[in-house]
Amino acid sequence: SQTIHQWPATLVQPVGSPLSLECTVEGTSNPNLYWYRQAAGRGLQLLFYSVGIGQISSEVPQNLSASRPQDRQFILSSKKLLLSDSGFYLCAWTYGMEETQYFGPGTRLLVL
Amino acid sequence: GQNIDQPTEMTATEGAIVQINCTYQTSGFNGLFWYQQHAGEAPTFLSYNVLDGLEEKGRFSSFLSRSKGYSYLLLKELQMKDSASYLCAVRGNTDKLIFGTGTRLQVFP
Repeated sequence: SQTIHQWPATLVQPVGSPLSLECTVEGTSNPNLYWYRQAAGRGLQLLFYSVGIGQISSEVPQNLSASRPQDRQFILSSKKLLLSDSGFYLCAWTYGMEETQYFGPGTRLLVL
Repeated sequence: GQNIDQPTEMTATEGAIVQINCTYQTSGFNGLFWYQQHAGEAPTFLSYNVLDGLEEKGRFSSFLSRSKGYSYLLLKELQMKDSASYLCAVRGNTDKLIFGTGTRLQVFP
């Protein structure tokens, strides 16, 4: 069966520090992968998506970047975090004929 | 522009039926999804509609009218554990989903 993992589960970081969040998918190959952010009480904001290794599309210009070094690995990074980067970061992948998006457990980031 | 509209909050009583509406305006249409999200957790997939009509899955049903740009999620025999946010999302002409801001449902005993 297919599963999606994210780590860490929670993270508290100071302003200006770097960030690296990792997402991996098991049990499938060549999935479409997505990074979303959900600020407190807000909707899901698509940050990046990838249809293959090394292929990244950015949705929102900001101080975040994404990389896909392997088929089933998607990484979200920042060189210098801002207070506004706090939120719930969700990785998702698509599966099935309907291409339903399934979400990982998420990483809760608090920037202080 | 592209837009998904849902009510912000709804309340209902345990055992009752509740209908959560979603209207959308998107560039193209290739399916509508409903997700459930409990507080502090990731969204989980509930239903998918691509053709007009009603899709039933146990206590949950989802309806779609493409000509009206309208969907609803129907929850029957409400339970306390159904208290959550319900997200409507539409796939337009691309691989991306456009999400509404979600409807927070509170179920009272």
